[in-house]
Amino acid sequence: EVQLVETGGGLIQSGGSLRVSCVGSGFNVSTNYMTWVRQAPGKGLEWVSVLYSGGSTYYADSVKGRFTISRDNSKNTLHLQMNSLRVEDTAMYYCARQDHYCTSASCWPYFQHWGQGTLVIVSS
Amino acid sequence: IQMTQSPSSLSASVGDRVTITCRASQSIGTFLNWYQQRPGKGPKLLIYAVSILQTGVPSRFSGSGSGADFTLTISSLQPEDFATYHCQQSFSTPLFTFGQGTKLEIK
Repeated sequence: EVQLVETGGGLIQSGGSLRVSCVGSGFNVSTNYMTWVRQAPGKGLEWVSVLYSGGSTYYADSVKGRFTISRDNSKNTLHLQMNSLRVEDTAMYYCARQDHYCTSASCWPYFQHWGQGTLVIVSS
Repeated sequence: IQMTQSPSSLSASVGDRVTITCRASQSIGTFLNWYQQRPGKGPKLLIYAVSILQTGVPSRFSGSGSGADFTLTISSLQPEDFATYHCQQSFSTPLFTFGQGTKLEIK
């Protein structure tokens, strides 16, 4: 069974740093596309970052230059290093595995597996 | 790509037929997913590629549309369906934006 468990959230002052992690089980994090999605209190979902199996990384403009996504293959774990945190980074942070439905015509990505989230609160 | 859902909230009763719409700021073909999120939980995939139900999702859920306009329909609301629903475009790789969510509440 595929499972994702996030840890590392907490209360941090503006300008500080925090690393959240996501431990995968039932599959290999390293051979999948792994994503971070966040949700500010009372708001919608916001895509944050993705790490492809080949190692390419991408970020939302709102976190580019401040956040770094990485993985530890030996621990089957995905990380999100968050630096220069701002009050507006306050959110529940979810990791998700990107899967694809493919036919001869195309491949359609979607997020089937999600963690339960870890809450990051940035205070001023 | 901006995704706009309507309405933002909706009150309905058990047994009602409910439709939620999602509009993309440009054509996204059929690259549209729907998720359900219950309070305090992570999102759950309901539908991908506009209309394909994820395994285990009840058949009262259905999706339709193409291009820039999409709908999620629940044919007969059940108590467990009261939740927040999110649409997501998966056309613009890698940045798969979500709608702002539609909260479905009990009337």
